[in-house]
Amino acid sequence: AQTVTQSQPEMSVQEAETVTLSCTYDTSESDYYLFWYKQPPSRQMILVIRQEAYKQQNATENRFSVNFQKAAKSFSLKISDSQLGDAAMYFCSNAGGTSYGKLTFGQGTILTVHP
Amino acid sequence: DTAVSQTPKYLVTQMGNDKSIKCEQNLGHDTMYWYKQDSKKFLKIMFSYNNKELIINETVPNRFSPKSPDKAHLNLHINSLELGDSAVYFCASSQGRGPQETQYFGPGTRLLVL
Repeated sequence: AQTVTQSQPEMSVQEAETVTLSCTYDTSESDYYLFWYKQPPSRQMILVIRQEAYKQQNATENRFSVNFQKAAKSFSLKISDSQLGDAAMYFCSNAGGTSYGKLTFGQGTILTVHP
Repeated sequence: DTAVSQTPKYLVTQMGNDKSIKCEQNLGHDTMYWYKQDSKKFLKIMFSYNNKELIINETVPNRFSPKSPDKAHLNLHINSLELGDSAVYFCASSQGRGPQETQYFGPGTRLLVL
């Protein structure tokens, strides 16, 4: 069974600053994948970044990077040089290696970006 | 071109009615999913099809029945609607059915049961 916990219901950041969103997870699988999805006010979910659990190197996508701590089962998202368009709800999710793409989502973190 | 589309975007109906939500993807993907997002924004998978075969069937009331006429379409039919069915329903698709796949989501269908 997979569980994903996001302990920050809301976060805020000034434009151009850096913010980190926290996520912890639990899984009984040895092989799994972690994702951060973004849901802007338009509602459509968009993949931000993906991390394969077997890779030690942290994933990066332009201004987005993760801090993946496998032993601690932690998967935080860092957004650098925050932009107004980053304002959204962010969901951390996990898919186990045998799960057929069954994503388990955290509760979400609402990110507000102040100009 | 919309990659994953859903119709309708909004659906308001009375308790006890039967309704359907349709989803279409033009990405050439083999796998499609239905998710439910409740009023607290919690997202939970309901079903998944791969090449018209049901591969994920979570514990949902049997009033919910998915149908995949072909791999580009996945519909969700709901019988005897209840107040608790009010939610946003998202369709998604992915190239394959593995856990590593990126899922592409539709815009959602907001269902309100009165």
